Amino acid sequence: GAVVSQHPSWVICKSGTSVKIECRSLDFQATTMFWYRQFPKQSLMLMATSNEGSKATYEQGVEKDKFLINHASLTLSTLTVTSAHPEDSSFYICSADTGTTADTQYFGPGTRLTVL
Amino acid sequence: GQSLEQPSEVTAVEGAIVQINCTYQTSGFYGLSWYQQHDGGAPTFLSYNGLDGLEETGRFSSFLSRSDSYGYLLLQELQMKDSASYFCVAPTGANNLFFGTGTRLTVIP
Repeated sequence: GAVVSQHPSWVICKSGTSVKIECRSLDFQATTMFWYRQFPKQSLMLMATSNEGSKATYEQGVEKDKFLINHASLTLSTLTVTSAHPEDSSFYICSADTGTTADTQYFGPGTRLTVL
Repeated sequence: GQSLEQPSEVTAVEGAIVQINCTYQTSGFYGLSWYQQHDGGAPTFLSYNGLDGLEETGRFSSFLSRSDSYGYLLLQELQMKDSASYFCVAPTGANNLFFGTGTRLTVIP
């Protein structure tokens, strides 16, 4: 089946630093990848849609200068949280569209970010 | 705007049947999916309804009524491992997904 990995699985950083999260499709090429944020006991909220080789499309209310997304290849997308603050602490999940089954996405295991 | 409303919590006994409802309001409709998420884990796809009616996949079934803007997920022969959060999800037509509010299912012995 389609497998998506994320690295790191958890990270703790100091306020003001930047953190990079990687999302990889391991056994398929993903033209489109998605980034979600999930606060405790809440639903997933789409942050941005990332297409290989082009600029990401951000959802309303998501600061594109704070959450930098790069989709440099068909198997890798990265999310960089710049100048992180405690309110950015959350569970960040990526997903990838295989392009084979309509509207089915495969999700990575998530990255738990804690900003002190 | 879009909204997919679910009960926040449901508790059921092992071996029983439970139904998780979802009522939706969307600007365009492209079907309804269901995903399962265990604590700290990735959401995993369970089922998709593009048309009205019942879709069955093993112990899980999903139902859709587009005229009522309503769907449900039915879990039969509940097992302890079914304790998780369940989300109804609407494809937006822009190749992305909008997640419902989520239902936390707790299965008790």
